[in-house]
Amino acid sequence: QKEVEQNSGPLSVPEGAIASLNCTYSDRVSQSFFWYRQYSGKSPELIMSIYSNGDKEDGRFTAQLNKASQYVSLLIRDSQPSDSATYLCAVIGGTSYGKLTFGQGTILTVHP
Amino acid sequence: GAVVSQHPSWVICKSGTSVKIECRSLDFQATTMFWYRQFPKQSLMLMATSNEGSKATYEQGVEKDKFLINHASLTLSTLTVTSAHPEDSSFYICSARDPSSSGNTIYFGEGSWLTVV
Repeated sequence: QKEVEQNSGPLSVPEGAIASLNCTYSDRVSQSFFWYRQYSGKSPELIMSIYSNGDKEDGRFTAQLNKASQYVSLLIRDSQPSDSATYLCAVIGGTSYGKLTFGQGTILTVHP
Repeated sequence: GAVVSQHPSWVICKSGTSVKIECRSLDFQATTMFWYRQFPKQSLMLMATSNEGSKATYEQGVEKDKFLINHASLTLSTLTVTSAHPEDSSFYICSARDPSSSGNTIYFGEGSWLTVV
């Protein structure tokens, strides 16, 4: 089992729709969870961070964390073509400090 | 603006030569920086953890004698790819944790494209 696993893509949604990205992790004592957006040829850009169970909203983005299920998700409301990118789920495990483990990424395409 | 800066953004070198990539934290002091490598259409793979004032910790399968890491100050880590070969061509990215931020905010550099010909 991979340490961090994301739902297989690519994911295609129409403009204005909700895009849902999912991620599971294997280290039960993980404490910090992140979603990064990466455009082709560019470095990852932090979108959301979440540390406690529940929802965290920031503009059009909502991160959801369920530690019991070892599951973290990202919802993008009112998706825009500019949201088209690869989304990376990343986790800092219980015994590593600042050491991110990434999922394989989900390619999102928002079509007009 | 960027809080972690990498240089150069891209570099082309001949097979057998060495290339140095710099990673600087601009607004904070980073005792720990991380170096990742990303091949096309793949996710980021951690190569090593760079510790200020001590030896780097390498991930399994990463040759420490080939990928030399130096973290001489709290704001600068360097990665030197020695005796580069075409298979080392990749996107190299560094990251650093801002200790003054809440939680564990990790900032990434802009990345460095290495092409070995």
